[in-house]
Amino acid sequence: AQRVTQPEKLLSVFKGAPVELKCNYSYSGSPELFWYVQYSRQRLQLLLRHISRESIKGFTADLNKGETSFHLKKPFAQEEDSAMYYCALSSNFNKFYFGSGTKLNVKP
Amino acid sequence: EPEVTQTPSHQVTQMGQEVILRCVPISNHLYFYWYRQILGQKVEFLVSFYNNEISEKSEIFDDQFSVERPDGSNFTLKIRSTKLEDSAMYFCASRVEGNTGELFFGEGSRLTVL
Repeated sequence: AQRVTQPEKLLSVFKGAPVELKCNYSYSGSPELFWYVQYSRQRLQLLLRHISRESIKGFTADLNKGETSFHLKKPFAQEEDSAMYYCALSSNFNKFYFGSGTKLNVKP
Repeated sequence: EPEVTQTPSHQVTQMGQEVILRCVPISNHLYFYWYRQILGQKVEFLVSFYNNEISEKSEIFDDQFSVERPDGSNFTLKIRSTKLEDSAMYFCASRVEGNTGELFFGEGSRLTVL
């Protein structure tokens, strides 16, 4: 069965510290992986997708097919990174599976 | 910048009542979705819609649910006879043709069933 697991409900770090938000998935085929973010009082929006292999707002995510993981990383967290982060996967774009989300709190 | 808009932002209804949630997707988008999020839980897929028909639906999307694109701009989700467990935030999303996979979400409609 398809599943996206984000083991941490809440992650608190200090400004300037590295951050890693974990995402593991189970899927029988070759899915595409995404990170979506929801800032306070804003709508859910795409942060990045693995296929584009780009860095957005200093965040990167590497797809590790062996470990079935797609962890989101940033070397130096900023206060404005505080938000809810959702990992998601899809194979055909008709259906996206989301994780339960990790709330990132960056303390000053 | 074009956005997906949803109405109402919050609706309170009695159990057993019908509810219609409305969405206006971005105008050049062709794929439409409804998701829901029960408080504290994950964002769950309900249904996807393309070319005036359902592409895929989840097991949650039973006979009590239906979707419609009545006039070429609105995309509605109807719940025929609401249950307490239908209380959730309902998100509409849309995307363009092609392989970007980027979903554009509305702000959500919070449904409270009493």
